[in-house]
Amino acid sequence: EVQLLESGGGLIQPGGSLRLSCAASGFTFSSYAMSWVRQAPGKGLEWVSAINDRGGDTYYTDSVKGRFTISRDNSKNTLSLQMDSLRADDTAVYYCAKRSQYSSTWYTDSWGQGTLVTVSS
Amino acid sequence: QSVLTQPPSASGTPGQRVTISCSGSSSNIGSNTVNWYQQLPGAAPKLLIYSNNQRPSGVPDRFSASKSGSSASLAISGLQSEDEADYYCATWDDTVFGGGTKLTVL
Repeated sequence: EVQLLESGGGLIQPGGSLRLSCAASGFTFSSYAMSWVRQAPGKGLEWVSAINDRGGDTYYTDSVKGRFTISRDNSKNTLSLQMDSLRADDTAVYYCAKRSQYSSTWYTDSWGQGTLVTVSS
Repeated sequence: QSVLTQPPSASGTPGQRVTISCSGSSSNIGSNTVNWYQQLPGAAPKLLIYSNNQRPSGVPDRFSASKSGSSASLAISGLQSEDEADYYCATWDDTVFGGGTKLTVL
């Protein structure tokens, strides 16, 4: 059974930094691309970042480029998101997600339970 | 405000068939596949449909979806109370999500 367990969320002041982690189990972590998706309170889903299976290719939504860094450690089955220069509009539940490919397209087949990041003074 | 437009709400009675639309453009839905996700209250999203109309194992065949041009739709037949949830469409390899539709089972 696929399990994705996020940690690292909490209350942080604007301008601060936070590092989210996601411990993966139940599948061959090094064979799958991964992503982070967030959901602001009472709002919809927003894709944040993605990384390929080997970690060599990373992608970001425009609003976090230059502030967030996605990375992975395949030896520890761990996905991370380093978040710097945090702003109030980064407040959200952050989901770790496993990506799968069908033909030449991608979809998200597993989601963690999420970790809440609150940016407030 | 998402580039994929979904109705904010939808409703139906048990046993009824309901559809949820997802409207985009030629640059997103028109040139990419669509995935659908279900988010039950207080829970993480769950994959419902991928690649326009493919149902993962474990998803009841009451759920179906289609895509035509720059729009897509999710259909739920034989509506059940446990289908009450938020539904999201997504495209462009899940980098773009719709705003979500809250489905109420009356």
